[in-house]
Order: sequence, then structure tokens, then C-alpha cells
Amino acid sequence: GAGVSQTPSNKVTEKGKYVELRCDPISGHTALYWYRQSLGQGPEFLIYFQGTGAADDSGLPNDRFFAVRPEGSVSTLKIQRTERGDSAVYLCASSTGQVPNEQFFGPGTRLTVL
Amino acid sequence: ELKVEQNPLFLSMQEGKNYTIYCNYSTTSDRLYWYRQDPGKSLESLFVLLSNGAVKQEGRLMASLDTKARLSTLHITAAVHDLSATYFCAVTNAGGTSYGKLTFGQGTILTVHP
Repeated sequence: GAGVSQTPSNKVTEKGKYVELRCDPISGHTALYWYRQSLGQGPEFLIYFQGTGAADDSGLPNDRFFAVRPEGSVSTLKIQRTERGDSAVYLCASSTGQVPNEQFFGPGTRLTVL
Repeated sequence: ELKVEQNPLFLSMQEGKNYTIYCNYSTTSDRLYWYRQDPGKSLESLFVLLSNGAVKQEGRLMASLDTKARLSTLHITAAVHDLSATYFCAVTNAGGTSYGKLTFGQGTILTVHP
């Protein structure tokens, strides 16, 4: 079956602009996660959805970052007033939410803020 | 705060040799995951370890978990070039509202050469 998909694969934007990153999880997966991976580092947790609600948004770095999942499937990560430090690969993962809760990752969106 | 440390961070191996990657974590956890990442690609799930003493093997890779020592190992047997990649371990917090949130190690960059 289809895996997790993310669009766009690459996004180049200018400092101060607004961007949206989209994630399509595996069909039937109720849990959805966003992570951010900087060069040479492991992924860092941003936010976790169980269904439509954000169960844990403790990883969002500041109020410029926001994510939604209005119908419990597709999710959008929104970044306002982008800064150069936001440049990274943004990874989305989904899981069944049941033990062992293996997370399956999408290909990522590489965001570059000039 | 849950911390995950891997060592070594860089590993250069000759084909045919054996080696072990170590993953230590700082607080109680009930699940540990190993992922593989090829350059420019997303994360591929390798193993999920759920209990103390768990051992899983796939081809030339074997992972084990010691929850008392808060240590997991990824053992590579008779390395081949195709195993060259970055390997991450990741841990979830036990229980709580962050169910499923992964905390990753820094990654081990493995290079296998003739």
C-alpha cells in the first residue's frame, strides 16, 4: 500500500515569508507526528496528533509554528515569518497508535530559508 | 528530560568484520526503535524492541535491549557495503501523554569499505 507522502519535496523561501508543508499519512493510521531534522542530527519531535487533536505540541519551537489535522487524516505544518534557522528537513510519520506503535516516515520536505 | 546517546558517532568498517553500535538512554522507557537512513532519504524502520532481553535479527543486523542498563545494541555481522548508512536509535517515554513521541540519538554514520 501507499506509504506516508509529503509535499512539496523541496521548498525555498525568503526570510519573513509564510510556508505550508503537507503530510498524507498511511490510510487508517490515527496517529501522526511531525519531526524536524537538521543536517547531521537526529530528528527532533515537533507535534503529535491523535485523530484531529494535537495530543502533544511541546516540541514546537515558538508560536510561529502551527499544525492542523482537521479531518484526522492529512496534516499541514504552517510556519509564519520564516527565519534562516528554520531551514531543515521536516519529516512526517504516522502509526496505528497501538503497541508497538511503529512509526513510518515520509520522504520529508527540505525547507530552505534564504 | 529523556536523553539518548549513541556511540560511536562515526564507524568505518572493513567488509566482513563485526562491530556493535551502542545506544544509551537516560530514563525509563518501554519501547526502543532502530532506524536506518540513507543519504538524502527518509528513515526506514529496522527493529522495535518492547521488553527487557528482547533480541531481534534481520540478515546481518541484530538488535538487543537491556532495560535495566537502559542500553540497546545493534550488532553488525560480516559487514557488506550495502549496510553503509546512518543508524538511529529512538526511545519513547514510558506512559504519560507523550505516548509515541520519539526521542532520537545523534545517529551513527556507518561506512563499510573493501
